[in-house]
Amino acid sequence: LAKTTQPISMDSYEGQEVNITCSHNNIATNDYITWYQQFPSQGPRFIIQGYKTKVTNEVASLFIPADRKSSTLSLPRVSLSDTAVYYCLVGIIGTASKLTFGTGTRLQVTL
Amino acid sequence: NAGVMQNPRHLVRRRGQEARLRCSPMKGHSHVYWYRQLPEEGLKFMVYLQKENIIDESGMPKERFSAEFPKEGPSILRIQQVVRGDSAAYFCASSPQQGGDSPLHFGNGTRLTVT
Repeated sequence: LAKTTQPISMDSYEGQEVNITCSHNNIATNDYITWYQQFPSQGPRFIIQGYKTKVTNEVASLFIPADRKSSTLSLPRVSLSDTAVYYCLVGIIGTASKLTFGTGTRLQVTL
Repeated sequence: NAGVMQNPRHLVRRRGQEARLRCSPMKGHSHVYWYRQLPEEGLKFMVYLQKENIIDESGMPKERFSAEFPKEGPSILRIQQVVRGDSAAYFCASSPQQGGDSPLHFGNGTRLTVT
């Protein structure tokens, strides 16, 4: 069971780049790393997923070092609407009991 | 392509009543997962189902809780004889297949309040 550790909260100003790091020292060989965003009163929304190296989509980038014991979600030029809780998950779909949500990182973006 | 649909969005029950939460997965998805979220906490896995089969219910309380995903129709999470501690947001997620590169797609949850 790959436990994850993230900062509880982060603050940023609008327009800045935000990097949220997740530690997962016990990641298994077949585990993927997935990040979700959750707004109040809504379900988590998939942001990005990766296995190794770097993944980029229209929303974010995910950096994974060679040892895969951590990962960093990078949000370029955040806006107020990026204020949310961000969760890092490690595991394999189909073994959902291992897809453990931690308490996440509460990102607050201000002007 | 409609997302994961959950209903009702809000459900109020008195202690001792039954609560039925419904989840329709995304079109083409045959795997359903239920999570529970208490205020200010992360989501806790409850149960994983495929059509007509419970695959993993290791997160489900042993009593009063049950889940099904019939061949036809939505997945149902059933809570019998609800107690105040059952008050939470219940989220359903679906995926098209088993495998690490198939992310979960979540609905917007059912908020259960037990009075």
